[in-house]
Amino acid sequence: EIVMTQSPATLSVSPGERATLSCRASESVSSKLAWYQQKSGQAPRVLIYYASTRATGIPARFSGSGSGTEFTLTISSLQSEDFALYFCQQYAKWPRTFGQGTKVEIK
Amino acid sequence: EVQLLESGGDLVQPGGSLRISCAASGFTLSSVAMSWVRQAPGEGLEWVSTLSGSGTSIFYADSVRGRFTISRDDSKNTLYLQMSSLRDEDTAVYYCAKDGGTFAGYMDVWGKGTTVTVSS
Repeated sequence: EIVMTQSPATLSVSPGERATLSCRASESVSSKLAWYQQKSGQAPRVLIYYASTRATGIPARFSGSGSGTEFTLTISSLQSEDFALYFCQQYAKWPRTFGQGTKVEIK
Repeated sequence: EVQLLESGGDLVQPGGSLRISCAASGFTLSSVAMSWVRQAPGEGLEWVSTLSGSGTSIFYADSVRGRFTISRDDSKNTLYLQMSSLRDEDTAVYYCAKDGGTFAGYMDVWGKGTTVTVSS
């Protein structure tokens, strides 16, 4: 199966600063990569799919890039509501696999 | 509005069985692929199973294959996950999720989840 590795595990950022989250696949997934945000006690919601397409209603401060095995989620200016867990997921092959998550916390 | 509502989570003994449900509204289940994804306490997300919109393709994670069965009732617009031979490690919040396209692979709508606890 394709192993998804996210880094860092925890990212401490001040409000208004930029956050950069990484996701690496153990083999190429082309652009079949999604990013999800999960707040405490809530279900995940999709932010980005096909590596760089923002989902409906997602603010422009969220952007995704990359292809193949290296991907990045960038939050340009962190807002209070952005402190959460973020997961990447590949959908190039079965089984679908998720990264272990990056927690974005207030510095 | 597209919505998913899971139900049926419960406390079950190891080796037992349970069926959880996901009622869909605002769209037709037969038009898209649907998945179950679970999250053990304090852990990440684990994909469990996917049923295609046509109903002809079904996929399972190795950890549940042979024990879990995904299905749907089109008349009720409801997705199911029948779980048997349950183990402690199946304890998790189970989410149903709608595929972002006909069979795109990412999940664009999620339910709030239902909790399954396997314990004696």
